[in-house]
Amino acid sequence: DAMVIQNPRYQVTQFGKPVTLSCSQTLNHNVMYWYQQKSSQAPKLLFHYYDKDFNNEADTPDNFQSRRPNTSFCFLDIRSPGLGDAAMYLCATSRDRGTSTDTQYFGPGTRLTVL
Amino acid sequence: AQKVTQAQTEISVVEKEDVTLDCVYETRDTTYYLFWYKQPPSGELVFLIRRNSFDEQNEISGRYSWNFQKSTSSFNFTITASQVVDSAVYFCALSENSGSARQLTFGSGTQLTVLP
Repeated sequence: DAMVIQNPRYQVTQFGKPVTLSCSQTLNHNVMYWYQQKSSQAPKLLFHYYDKDFNNEADTPDNFQSRRPNTSFCFLDIRSPGLGDAAMYLCATSRDRGTSTDTQYFGPGTRLTVL
Repeated sequence: AQKVTQAQTEISVVEKEDVTLDCVYETRDTTYYLFWYKQPPSGELVFLIRRNSFDEQNEISGRYSWNFQKSTSSFNFTITASQVVDSAVYFCALSENSGSARQLTFGSGTQLTVLP
């Protein structure tokens, strides 16, 4: 089945220690998104890629970076995690942001704990 | 600016009861899209429905139904004969057609608990 895969499902890191979360998709969608969701809150968009075109949200901290080496994979790098970065990180994809077929399909998420 | 309001933070019902989750939105665009997602305890956001602003037909899918009313800017979601497996957080979301990217604006979510 076509899907969005996130690894790992649970990640524990130490304060200040860089961490990378990964997302892959078999949907062949052009757009990939990263969201941060803290407890009892709605998902918050960090950035997205339209093909190789990177789009950062204005309020996304510099501590968060992303890479998309090819259509299928996208990575979220947190350079120096703080306690406030503990959250669920959700990856999503959509076929094309310019058309009506823009439903975003989400992966299962990676729950990040910062010690 | 677009905004989505889900006034019900938590709802608790007994199995087999019907339950309606409210969603009110604000947008200045004439073309926009509304969504409902389900987030079970496992964390994955599961897509349920998309509705565009030009299609006010209500939709039914099994025990789920959606009532879209542009006059009141509402897109409510009803679960008929609720089941324990329906327990989850439900998010309503809005996407506008303008701008360089299709942004999803989420409501704050409604935690639905279905008791056996």
